Amino acid sequence: GESVGLHLPTLSVQEGDNSIINCAYSNSASDYFIWYKQESGKGPQFIIDIRSNMDKRQGQRVTVLLNKTVKHLSLQIAATQPGDSAVYFCAEKRPRGSTLGRLYFGRGTQLTVWP
Amino acid sequence: DTGVSQNPRHKITKRGQNVTFRCDPISEHNRLYWYRQTLGQGPEFLTYFQNEAQLEKSRLLSDRFSAERPKGSFSTLEIQRTEQGDSAMYLCASIARRGYEQYFGPGTRLTVT
Repeated sequence: GESVGLHLPTLSVQEGDNSIINCAYSNSASDYFIWYKQESGKGPQFIIDIRSNMDKRQGQRVTVLLNKTVKHLSLQIAATQPGDSAVYFCAEKRPRGSTLGRLYFGRGTQLTVWP
Repeated sequence: DTGVSQNPRHKITKRGQNVTFRCDPISEHNRLYWYRQTLGQGPEFLTYFQNEAQLEKSRLLSDRFSAERPKGSFSTLEIQRTEQGDSAMYLCASIARRGYEQYFGPGTRLTVT
């Protein structure tokens, strides 16, 4: 079956701490990865992406790390805030020729930020 | 708000009825995807359009499901003879012509009773 999975279903952190959400993928041909944030009752919201020719990309308060050797992706959120509470999904895109760019999503990690 | 809109936001229907959902992508986006999401799971791909052409369909898209994008702009997803297992959030996403990022709409939550 499809195969982007997460190591932990839930993560609780204190406000101000850094959060790390992990993701494992199984298809070594995947060439693009995205992290999405999904709040209750809403569609997924893009956070950050990374192409397979990179191993790190930084955004505002977020960093994505890609380790192709072990097929592992992580999302780091600095100074986590209550508004960061949501479910986080990683998604992989396999090469265009085979799947026309569709995304394969993992199950998600529920991040809860407490004061 | 990503600029992708979906209607209705919620739909409750009785088993056996037909339902239709609409997605309006960002206007200059030529690629459109439909996904289905059940509770606690990530979205699962259903089908893909490039302009008006439906180029790929998942095995999840049974005979009761049909999708169209007649003018390459908005898209509709119809489910005939709904079953309780069809209860889910139906998400639409669009991508710009040379882009990678998929912009998702808010989804239509379907409940089949």
